[in-house]
Amino acid sequence: AQSVTQLDSHVSVSEGTPVLLRCNYSSSYSPSLFWYVQHPNKGLQLLLKYTSAATLVKGINGFEAEFKKSETSFHLTKPSAHMSDAAEYFCVVSDKDTDKLIFGTGTRLQVFP
Amino acid sequence: DTGVSQDPRHKITKRGQNVTFRCDPISEHNRLYWYRQTLGQGPEFLTYFQNEAQLEKSRLLSDRFSAERPKGSFSTLEIQRTEQGDSAMYLCASSSGTSGALYEQYFGPGTRLTVT
Repeated sequence: AQSVTQLDSHVSVSEGTPVLLRCNYSSSYSPSLFWYVQHPNKGLQLLLKYTSAATLVKGINGFEAEFKKSETSFHLTKPSAHMSDAAEYFCVVSDKDTDKLIFGTGTRLQVFP
Repeated sequence: DTGVSQDPRHKITKRGQNVTFRCDPISEHNRLYWYRQTLGQGPEFLTYFQNEAQLEKSRLLSDRFSAERPKGSFSTLEIQRTEQGDSAMYLCASSSGTSGALYEQYFGPGTRLTVT
């Protein structure tokens, strides 16, 4: 069975400092991995996806993630946080036959001025 | 591209009542998914359709839940005899393609159900 584990339920950073949201995955085959963001009262939005091409994936709004097979990790980073980045972030793995998404429990990112 | 729409956005119902939610996917998307998200948790898969065929149902989907996608267009999710534990955000997503995970799922804004 596939799963993802988000290692931090809450992360707080100051505006302008780097962001690191950690995710480990478990999969019996080469996974497809995603990061989604959910702002309050808004729908889920795809930030980026890894589908066995380049291991460093660039997404929207300056976010990127690196797939590390040896560490079974897919951490999300951003060099400089912005107030508008405050939201809930989900690490996600997809089922290779049905494409159904399996979500982590989420990391709430707070950005302080 | 009008995106995925869901109706209603909010529903308050009394325990024991039946409710029905509607999802309109992006036009020509052949896959449609339903997820449920409870407070403080990530969304959990409920069921999905390939065109009009319902191909998988989660064990989370009890006999009180039924979903349809007539003609492979919009979908409805009905909950009969609602219970307080059904209170959650119900999310719909759609995607194109027939296999693989290369196709992005686009999510609607969700229907928030509160059972009193």
